[in-house]
Parts: sequence; C-alpha cells; structure tokens
Amino acid sequence: EAAVTQSPRSKVAVTGGKVTLSCHQTNNHDYMYWYRQDTGHGLRLIHYSYVADSTEKGDIPDGYKASRPSQENFSLILELASLSQTAVYFCASSGTTNSDYTFGSGTRLLVI
Amino acid sequence: GDQVEQSPSALSLHEGTGSALRCNFTTTMRAVQWFQQNSRGSLINLFYLASGTKENGRLKSTFNSKESYSTLHIRDAQLEDSGTYFCAAELYQGGSAKLIFGEGTKLTVSS
Repeated sequence: EAAVTQSPRSKVAVTGGKVTLSCHQTNNHDYMYWYRQDTGHGLRLIHYSYVADSTEKGDIPDGYKASRPSQENFSLILELASLSQTAVYFCASSGTTNSDYTFGSGTRLLVI
Repeated sequence: GDQVEQSPSALSLHEGTGSALRCNFTTTMRAVQWFQQNSRGSLINLFYLASGTKENGRLKSTFNSKESYSTLHIRDAQLEDSGTYFCAAELYQGGSAKLIFGEGTKLTVSS
C-alpha cells in the first residue's frame, strides 16, 4: 500500500544540536512537503520539493534546511535546534494535483 | 493563516446529529481540501474540490469559489468523527500549488 513514512516518531533534542527528520514515500509522487504544527494550530509549510535534488522555501523556512536526494526521500534538517522548534512535524506527498495529498504520521520533536 | 479562516473553532455534537463547518478565504483560491486530524494525530484527506459539491458517506463538502468559501457538512455524527477538521486552500504560487491551512475546528461527538 502506498504510504508516507516518517522517522523517528518522536525525538528529544538538545538546544544547539543537529536534528534530521526523514520522510519516505512509496506513492510515486513528484511533490513532497514538510510542515510544522504547533499545539492547537494548523499546519505551516516549511519547505517543499517538486523534483529530486531540488528544494523550495515554504512560508517559514528560517532555521530549517531540506534535502531531496531521490523522488522517494525528503529530509528536514535543523542545524542548530532551538526551543522554538519544539513542534510536531508532518511530511506529505502529492501528485500533479493535490487531490491525492497524503500525510505521514508525524514526528513529535521536543527541544530542551 | 490569515488567508484562511475557519469557524467555529470548536463544536460539540451528540451522536446522530449534524452540523456544518465553514472555511472563508480572503483571496481567490484555486481549490480547497478538507482534512480530519484524528485522536492519534493522523491527518486524513477527506475532500479535494476545485468547484461544486462532493459527498462521501455522511460527509458533504461544497466550494463556492466566487464567494470564497467552503463548507463541510457532517450528518448523523458518530463518536469516531471526533477530531480536528482543517480546511486548506490551494494557492498557485511560483509555479506550484501550495496549501494554506486554517486553524481548524475541533469537533467533539458525545453519546
């Protein structure tokens, strides 16, 4: 079954440390996205990609980098984690239209 | 965000009843999507509409692009319908279609 898989499911990171969140999709989708969700709020777009080896900035890219080494894989990198980056992070993929938008289960990140 | 406003922010229903959730857009959007975030935190794709009305079981959604709003109707609510419902507007920007999410409507269905 086609899916979007995120790892890890949860992580505790130290302020100033490096964090890498991974996402893998088997949907054969061209588009992949990283969102963050703060408690009680909607999702905000951090970075996205529409082709391997290329990434684009979303609405809140500061403090985050992204990497798309292949169509299936999309990573989110926090080079210097900060307390304000504590949130739940969702990866998603979609095809040429958004009608098949599929989310992963999320990664709960706590920065201490 | 500011471009997508959802109402109400919270809603309580008894099993078997129904209601409507609304999503207003402050600018012209190409399409709208509705998602349910369930109790486990998973986001489930409910509807994608570029226009008109779609129905799936006890859920029905409409998108009025001219008046910039969308609605999600729930009828015969069940306990498993509890969760947070997000609408997301599709905005074409920089050569790709982005989704802008509202803040959600938290639905609680009780017996």
